[in-house]
Amino acid sequence: AQKITQTQPGMFVQEKEAVTLDCTYDTSDPSYGLFWYKQPSSGEMIFLIYQGSYDQQNATEGRYSLNFQKARKSANLVISASQLGDSAMYFCAMREVMDTGRRALTFGSGTRLQVQP
Amino acid sequence: DSGVTQTPKHLITATGQRVTLRCSPRSGDLSVYWYQQSLDQGLQFLIQYYNGEERAKGNILERFSAQQFPDLHSELNLSSLELGDSALYFCASSVERSGIRETQYFGPGTRLLVL
Repeated sequence: AQKITQTQPGMFVQEKEAVTLDCTYDTSDPSYGLFWYKQPSSGEMIFLIYQGSYDQQNATEGRYSLNFQKARKSANLVISASQLGDSAMYFCAMREVMDTGRRALTFGSGTRLQVQP
Repeated sequence: DSGVTQTPKHLITATGQRVTLRCSPRSGDLSVYWYQQSLDQGLQFLIQYYNGEERAKGNILERFSAQQFPDLHSELNLSSLELGDSALYFCASSVERSGIRETQYFGPGTRLLVL
């Protein structure tokens, strides 16, 4: 089974509008972390926002917020007031601690966002 | 700029060859992770080192190996290269004191093309 599922291969949004990028995850680990990264066309991976499984409130970082619904196992990224520079691939990732203590990230397949003027 | 450096930025080589990718983590970070991003496999974890010791292995081929040196920089060695090894290879680093909150910061990547 896929650990991280991003069902939207591509999304379009008008400049200055808000957009939601979907992410669902699958884990039996009670303690886990969810991350979103942005990958512009230049290729680098830029950390955007983090949500812990025990966090009571949804994470926010500037124009980025995370709509975390634990029971539904979803962690959707909301970008408010889209800008042309937001055009990029967006990856959802999860870290489970598990017994092995492994801390590597498992990534979804990504969503390509294009912001239109 | 994440503070993680990777060299070279681009690498073009032939099948059967061996290459070495280098990574310097952010100052103070003890953990280094290597990831491979390819069109067909997406982003996959290869291997993790923590303070010089191998900590975890992912989908790393036997032809690939890595090490972390006393100054904490890391090298990923890819040998007997095949066309399918063409990919973007990322190094990421984190402090890894404890818990799951810790963020991994990625380097700019090395784009490998095997001809």
